[in-house]
Amino acid sequence: ETGVTQTPRHLVMGMTNKKSLKCEQHLGHNAMYWYKQSAKKPLELMFVYNFKEQTENNSVPSRFSPECPNSSHLFLHLHTLQPEDSALYLCASSPGIGPGDEQYFGPGTRLTVT
Amino acid sequence: AQSVTQPDIHITVSEGASLELRCNYSYGATPYLFWYVQSPGQGLQLLLKYFSGDTLVQGIKGFEAEFKRSQSSFNLRKPSVHWSDAAEYFCAVGATGRRALTFGSGTRLQVQP
Repeated sequence: ETGVTQTPRHLVMGMTNKKSLKCEQHLGHNAMYWYKQSAKKPLELMFVYNFKEQTENNSVPSRFSPECPNSSHLFLHLHTLQPEDSALYLCASSPGIGPGDEQYFGPGTRLTVT
Repeated sequence: AQSVTQPDIHITVSEGASLELRCNYSYGATPYLFWYVQSPGQGLQLLLKYFSGDTLVQGIKGFEAEFKRSQSSFNLRKPSVHWSDAAEYFCAVGATGRRALTFGSGTRLQVQP
């Protein structure tokens, strides 16, 4: 595997379910990110981790719970979601969190909440 | 705080025609500027970036962009568009002290045969 991988690629869940999204990067980067991409809305940054420590939480509801056990893996735990949470969830990584650190994106998980 | 504006939500061009996608930014200092492309069902791929130096930067897939400080712009260009260029294009800015990039809302490019 190379680059940034995300599993699953598609997920359908009910509002009472609990599920997790997984992201893995094989680039040796230190920073990882979760973004939400909804139709007709700009890309929304959710969380930033640098060396496993959360450095940014962009006012994300508590029904989204991130976990970063090491610099290569990032999870997004989901529970009690709402239909408006249906979106493409993108993971990204970068060498660091400097302004010039370009981000490498995974293919995303298409989440549908029913 | 920095911001990025992509004025065109949707653009249609004919295959073989030239392309220019607009990006305007707001930031007090010299920004770090990026263009990304997203094909349907895929993540974002970096096309090119500008930090300093030559204001005309070359990227992958035949794309280039020009940084114009006086206009606060970083427009993306391609001399001859191919059908495979149909995708959504995002401009982004990085700024000192901010821990992540700020993305524009994107421009969807459609290519007519």
